[in-house]
Amino acid sequence: DAGVTQSPTHLIKTRGQQVTLRCSPKSGHDTVSWYQQALGQGPQFIFQYYEEEERQRGNFPDRFSGHQFPNYSSELNVNALLLGDSALYLCASRRRQLLSGANVLTFGAGSRLTVL
Amino acid sequence: KQEVTQIPAALSVPEGENLVLNCSFTDSAIYNLQWFRQDPGKGLTSLLLIQSSQREQTSGRLNASLDKSSGRSTLYIAASQPGDSATYLCAVSGNTGNQFYFGTGTSLTVIP
Repeated sequence: DAGVTQSPTHLIKTRGQQVTLRCSPKSGHDTVSWYQQALGQGPQFIFQYYEEEERQRGNFPDRFSGHQFPNYSSELNVNALLLGDSALYLCASRRRQLLSGANVLTFGAGSRLTVL
Repeated sequence: KQEVTQIPAALSVPEGENLVLNCSFTDSAIYNLQWFRQDPGKGLTSLLLIQSSQREQTSGRLNASLDKSSGRSTLYIAASQPGDSATYLCAVSGNTGNQFYFGTGTSLTVIP
């Protein structure tokens, strides 16, 4: 059973460019969240998608946008890249219909973005 | 806004020692708390999840406790092994269970 898969694993961009990161959730999961993890820091919540809509958003500017497809996969788009956007971007999935109240998040290995 | 703090930031112990990692959070209105492990440059692996109504959870050599009223959780690792070396992250979710707030982690090194 494949877990959460993310692509690409590493990428390098220059300031002002745009980037798209992709995520396929774990089988049976329908809710996808994106997190940004700067070096030496804990992950910060960007937003969550289910039923193809953004349901909750963290404290990130509009340069960060996303999409969820009918097969539950998701994309994270970042426009007008800044040096400070360099980070590990993590995708996490879970099943929205909670079982016994548990909502264990399953994380992917992440996409490491370097902005020069 | 929920803030999560983990102490110590780094810990080095000899193999076989028992150890405790600490996590505190400012808002006790949480849905649940989850402990994760992160190896260098990798994603997060879930270790234990404690629902807000629970006091502790155990998995193998790991035991996590939750005191919601005081805003504290501990992760106890028994008989530590070199393979336990990693960063351990604590995360709490708000009332909706959607957004997780993470601490900055404790970097654990177990010396053979």
